[in-house]
Amino acid sequence: SQELEQSPQSLIVQEGKNLTINCTSSKTLYGLYWYKQKYGEGLIFLMMLQKGGEEKSHEKITAKLDEKKQQSSLHITASQPSHAGIYLCGADEDAGGTSYGKLTFGQGTILTVHP
Amino acid sequence: DAGVTQSPTHLIKTRGQQVTLRCSPKSGHDTVSWYQQALGQGPQFIFQYYEEEERQRGNFPDRFSGHQFPNYSSELNVNALLLGDSALYLCASSLNSYFSTDTQYFGPGTRLTVL
Repeated sequence: SQELEQSPQSLIVQEGKNLTINCTSSKTLYGLYWYKQKYGEGLIFLMMLQKGGEEKSHEKITAKLDEKKQQSSLHITASQPSHAGIYLCGADEDAGGTSYGKLTFGQGTILTVHP
Repeated sequence: DAGVTQSPTHLIKTRGQQVTLRCSPKSGHDTVSWYQQALGQGPQFIFQYYEEEERQRGNFPDRFSGHQFPNYSSELNVNALLLGDSALYLCASSLNSYFSTDTQYFGPGTRLTVL
């Protein structure tokens, strides 16, 4: 089965700094999702990437999927305390539609932003 | 537009007991997936319901069972609770996740503690 590894496991930055979180797969990624989670709460959908080389942005967050579709990155520009939380990448297990949206997740990256 | 809702918010049970968790999907969604998230880990897929039937199942024992009702809401039942079942249980809804591109939206979760 697919395994997703996130790095770093935790990140502490000063407000205003840029940061990047990586998600690496042992297999080709079909449908790569980024979610944000406040501790002990549900997951908030951020972005979904499908195509090799695809890049999407929302406010100060940009997500990219590499050409080989085995690695994704999430970049936050000029971080704010509101960006703090746990960032999770998740992916569908296969390309043919037969996974029916069964997502495999990474272990998460804990982001702390100091004012 | 109501998002995914789950009840109860928190639950405390003792070993050997049985528990039922409930989920109402986002308006317009017909597919419900359940995930278990242990502390410090990413969510793990339990199973998915579509058209009132279990369509996909993760690596969880038969103690975990579910149901989907005609209004698309769903229940997760866990029998013979073990200490290791303590976790945040997340429900996610989507619109017929036959294709890997259908985004899953998560509820706030139910925190289950087994003593």
